[in-house]
Amino acid sequence: LAKTTQPISMDSYEGQEVNITCSHNNIATNDYITWYQQFPSQGPRFIIQGYKTKVTNEVASLFIPADRKSSTLSLPRVSLSDTAVYYCLVGPIYGGSQGNLIFGKGTKLSVKP
Amino acid sequence: NAGVTQTPKFRVLKTGQSMTLLCAQDMNHEYMYWYRQDPGMGLRLIHYSVGEGTTAKGEVPDGYNVSRLKKQNFLLGLESAAPSQTSVYFCASNRPSNTGELFFGEGSRLTVL
Repeated sequence: LAKTTQPISMDSYEGQEVNITCSHNNIATNDYITWYQQFPSQGPRFIIQGYKTKVTNEVASLFIPADRKSSTLSLPRVSLSDTAVYYCLVGPIYGGSQGNLIFGKGTKLSVKP
Repeated sequence: NAGVTQTPKFRVLKTGQSMTLLCAQDMNHEYMYWYRQDPGMGLRLIHYSVGEGTTAKGEVPDGYNVSRLKKQNFLLGLESAAPSQTSVYFCASNRPSNTGELFFGEGSRLTVL
């Protein structure tokens, strides 16, 4: 199983770019990297997913270096509403053992005015 | 669209009582999961199912049972509740074509006295 390690918490200010890094040293060849966002009293919500290099959507960017042992979620110009817990999930997305969908402890991002 | 619906949303039990949490999804997903979330522990996988009539153990299965009699429903049972099972429970589902994209319910908060 690809275990993940993230910072427990991060602070930022409105308008800044925030980068949250996830370490996954034993990632397997068929593993993808997926990030989730969770607000209080809600279930986690899918943000972005990638395999290598860079992926961008309307919400965030995901940077994955060539060795894939880490990944960085980048949130451009954060606002107060981006205050949430962010989870990195590493595992196969096509078939495979679904018991490998193991979440880490997440990073609590606090955005201040 | 309802997505993933969990009932009940809140429940208080006494030690030794039994109860069942119901998860229903209307997205025709093959796979379904039950997670528990405790402060500082992130999300931990209890049980999962890759199809109707099938179930499998996750990280923390002890004290729980599950059933998937219909494709759209996944039930989580506690036969004899213990205070250690006080937690927020999340149900999730996804497709075989992208198992990294989980769709979560809003959660069920269970307190065992």
